[in-house]
Amino acid sequence: ILNVEQSPQSLHVQEGDSTNFTCSFPSSNFYALHWYRWETAKSPEALFVMTLNGDEKKKGRISATLNTKEGYSYLYIKGSQPEDSATYLCAFSGSNSGYALNFGKGTSLLVTP
Amino acid sequence: DAGVIQSPRHEVTEMGQEVTLRCKPISGHNSLFWYRQTMMRGLELLIYFNNNVPIDDSGMPEDRFSAKMPNASFSTLKIQPSEPRDSAVYFCASSLHLMNTEAFFGQGTRLTVV
Repeated sequence: ILNVEQSPQSLHVQEGDSTNFTCSFPSSNFYALHWYRWETAKSPEALFVMTLNGDEKKKGRISATLNTKEGYSYLYIKGSQPEDSATYLCAFSGSNSGYALNFGKGTSLLVTP
Repeated sequence: DAGVIQSPRHEVTEMGQEVTLRCKPISGHNSLFWYRQTMMRGLELLIYFNNNVPIDDSGMPEDRFSAKMPNASFSTLKIQPSEPRDSAVYFCASSLHLMNTEAFFGQGTRLTVV
């Protein structure tokens, strides 16, 4: 079992606030880091797949950074909207675990108007 | 493509009964994963296949759990006999390749064992 930790566990912000979450993962045998967005009553959907140290990805108001040497990734949401409310999962893929995705427990975000 | 299709969406069964969960991956995807979602453990990887071959089943909790992938378009997860602690949402996901590509999830099967 790989130790993929996410913080905070939950977050409640007001519409318009910017926010960020953290994912920490083993820095050895790193292959890829994924971020997924999981809305209630739906299935997780991929946001980003990152593989290189220093990678930065952006999709609209959401962006992510990756530091493979120290084993962490940040997900940022700029100007949060109520429709951003969801659980955000990160998943680690490593060469010593067959490259399958091992998920953290997620950060649950609630954005209120 | 309709995406990853799982059936049934909901299953309620009595303790001791056999339960079979089904999954149809996205056509052309080479890798298939079974996950279990619980409040305590989050999304746990149970087993995964690459090109229909099981690669790692170390996440399968007990011998009561088994999974097969007889062809590229179908996989089953079987629990025999089922127990109340098996109650959870079971997700199937597929990806184009095992490495470096995003996983696409099915809608999940909510299993309740009473």
